Formats: sequence, structure tokens, C-alpha cells
Amino acid sequence: EPEVTQTPSHQVTQMGQEVILRCVPISNHLYFYWYRQILGQKVEFLVSFYNNEISEKSEIFDDQFSVERPDGSNFTLKIRSTKLEDSAMYFCASSGMSVQETQYFGPGTRLLVL
Amino acid sequence: AQSVTQLGSHVSVSEGALVLLRCNYSSSVPPYLFWYVQYPNQGLQLLLKYTTGATLVKGINGFEAEFKKSETSFHLTKPSAHMSDAAEYFCAVVQGAQKLVFGQGTRLTINP
Repeated sequence: EPEVTQTPSHQVTQMGQEVILRCVPISNHLYFYWYRQILGQKVEFLVSFYNNEISEKSEIFDDQFSVERPDGSNFTLKIRSTKLEDSAMYFCASSGMSVQETQYFGPGTRLLVL
Repeated sequence: AQSVTQLGSHVSVSEGALVLLRCNYSSSVPPYLFWYVQYPNQGLQLLLKYTTGATLVKGINGFEAEFKKSETSFHLTKPSAHMSDAAEYFCAVVQGAQKLVFGQGTRLTINP
């Protein structure tokens, strides 16, 4: 069964450093997403991406964040200068075109900013 | 804007007992509703979804949920709890194009 994969599973970084979180969505999907879950809190939407551009982003997704689909398979989230409050679990998801279609989530990357 | 409220951050039931996890939503348009489960140290896995049609939706692992428009609810049930059902459960509604808005989550504990 196709699945979304994410690397790395864990990332520890120093405040102010750049991090890149990587995702490989399901191959025939067209929409890609990043969500995050701060420890003990609910899952929050960050950004959706379609046709090589951002289709929607949340207030959390400020200028420190960027997304990219550098090739036909990878989908990345970059945080330019990490803050302590960026520590969270980051989930990538992908889906087909329709609003009714299921978003399939990857296992997540746990980011710890020290 | 659509939103989701899950009543009860923690629910504890005995093995073999009924599981009932509550979810209420607010939406100005016909909602698309989802239940996801998160096992420890894992990602989110779809349990079931409601889009259109039959209001009683069956999912994986014996779970089902009923969409009740009059009550703006989408409660998740399972007739008989199993130890392997211990996990965190999230209700979600689609907002806008395809953004998922999640509830706070309910941690389900199963007592032997």
C-alpha cells in the first residue's frame, strides 16, 4: 500500500539554525500539506501546495517558513532560523484533487530546537 | 470558519466495553468529517470519513461514526473495546479548499 514517508524521524538543532524537513508524498497525489503538533496540543495546518505553488497557508507559516517541490518526488519544509517555539512534530500529508479525498499522513519528524 | 470540539481529553473504558468518543463541529456549509487515530510515536491514520450519502459510516478496526446534522455531531463508537485501541483520536473537518481543522484530540485508555 502506498504511503507518505518523512525524513529524518528526529532532528535536534540549535536556535537560529536552518532545518529542512523532507517528505515523499504518494506518487499520484496532487495536493501536499504540512501540519505541526506541538507537544500536548492539537494538530495545526501550516500550508498546502498544489501545482508548484502555495494554495493556502496559516498565520503560523510566516517568512521563516518555505516549501518546495525540488523534483518530481520530494516535498520539503524549510525553517530558515529556528526558534524554541518551533519545537514540534511536523507531519507531511498528501491527497488527490477532490475536497472529499482523504489526506494521507506521514509518520512525522520530531523537531527539537535547543 | 469551520471548527471542531472534542468533549473529553481523556476517556477510559474497560476491555470489552463500549467506546464513545464525542465530536461536535461547526460549519456553514455541508461538512466533510474525518476521524484519525494516532498510535504512540506514529503518524495519523484515517479511521473513517463522512462526505455525502449514508450518515452511518463504518471504518477500520470495528469503529463507526454517525453524522447527525441536527446535533452537529460526528461521534465515534466501537461496541467492544480492545487493548489495541489505546491511542489518541482526532476528529477533523475540511475547511476551505482542503485544509483539515482538527479537534483537540481524545486519549483513549483501555483497562484490562
